[in-house]
Order: sequence, then C-alpha cells, then structure tokens
Amino acid sequence: AQSVSQHNHHVILSEAASLELGCNYSYGGTVNLFWYVQYPGQHLQLLLKYFSGDPLVKGIKGFEAEFIKSKFSFNLRKPSVQWSDTAEYFCAVNAPGGGNKLTFGTGTQLKVEL
Amino acid sequence: DAGVTQSPTHLIKTRGQQVTLRCSPKSGHDTVSWYQQALGQGPQFIFQYYEEEERQRGNFPDRFSGHQFPNYSSELNVNALLLGDSALYLCASSSSGFRSSEQFFGPGTRLTVL
Repeated sequence: AQSVSQHNHHVILSEAASLELGCNYSYGGTVNLFWYVQYPGQHLQLLLKYFSGDPLVKGIKGFEAEFIKSKFSFNLRKPSVQWSDTAEYFCAVNAPGGGNKLTFGTGTQLKVEL
Repeated sequence: DAGVTQSPTHLIKTRGQQVTLRCSPKSGHDTVSWYQQALGQGPQFIFQYYEEEERQRGNFPDRFSGHQFPNYSSELNVNALLLGDSALYLCASSSSGFRSSEQFFGPGTRLTVL
C-alpha cells in the first residue's frame, strides 16, 4: 500500500528564513506528486505538482519542490518565508496503477513569526 | 468560474443517525472524490465517482456510500453514525482526461457526532 511520510509535524521559523519540508513516499513505481497548502480557515489549495520531466518544479507564491526518484522524496522549499506562509502543508501521492486517489501525509504545521 | 462547493458547512448529529453531504464539482470536471480528514491528520480517501458509478474505494466500511448525479454533483451518505465519524469531509473534483489525478478541493463539511 502507498504511504506518505512527512517528517516535520510542526515547524516554527522567523520571517526571511529558508524553508524545507520533507516528504517521502513508499511506492516504487511511477508516481504523480503534489503539495497542498491549507491556510487558516481556508480550503486545501494546490501549491505545486509533478507529473514528469524536470524534477525541479515551481509552484505559486515562490515555492518549489524537487523530485528525487532514488530517494523517493519530494521536498518542498522556499528561500525566504513570509508571515503569510503560516499554514498547514500536505504532501500527496498518486500512483497511476492505483487509480486516481491521492494518498496524503499527516501534514506539517508551519508558523512564521515576525 | 465557481470552484468546488460543498453543503452544509457544519453539521451536528447524534450517534446512530444518518447524514448526507453534498458536493458540486468545479466547472468542466466530471469526477468527484471524497476524503475524510480527522483532526491532526491528512485527508483519507473514501471513494471516487465517475459516470455515476463508484470507480474506486478506500478502506471505509459500507456505512459510507455515495452517489453521483448526471450533472456530476455528488452526495456522501453515512449511516449509523459513530463518534469516530466526527471529521472534516472534503470533496475534490477532477477531470477524467489528461492529468486526472490533479484534484481541486472544496471547503469541506465539518461533521460532529455527539
């Protein structure tokens, strides 16, 4: 069965600090990878996605993620966080052989302090 | 362009009762998936509907059932409610075409079972 691990459950950063959130998945075949963000009081929004091609993908609001197939990882990065980045971040995986369902990690709660 | 909409926003039920949640997909989408998000957890896949049929199902009991209508909207029904069914229920829509695993989420319905 697919599983997704997010190692950091809570992260606190100061504004302008760099961010890296880890995501590892267990499925060994071809995967589609996603990061979603949930701002306080808002619904899940797609931050970025990887289907194929360049393993470094850029998303909205200055976020990027790197797919490293050999490490089964899809870590999320941002060079300089802002207070408005305070939110919960979810990594999700879809394995085409398993239909279109998404398997989510448990999420990382990010708090950015001024 | 309206995104995914869900109703109601909040719902309070007692154990043993039945509940129906509703979802309208994003314009142009024909596939609807339902997820359960317990507090502090990532969303868990319940099932997916396409062409008015359940196409894929997660590890949820038969108390959870659904329906998709010709206009692609969908309902989630839960019978014999348990305290453990208290959660945020998310609807996600997608297109059955290219990159069909890319899903857009609604705001969710918060179900509380007393």
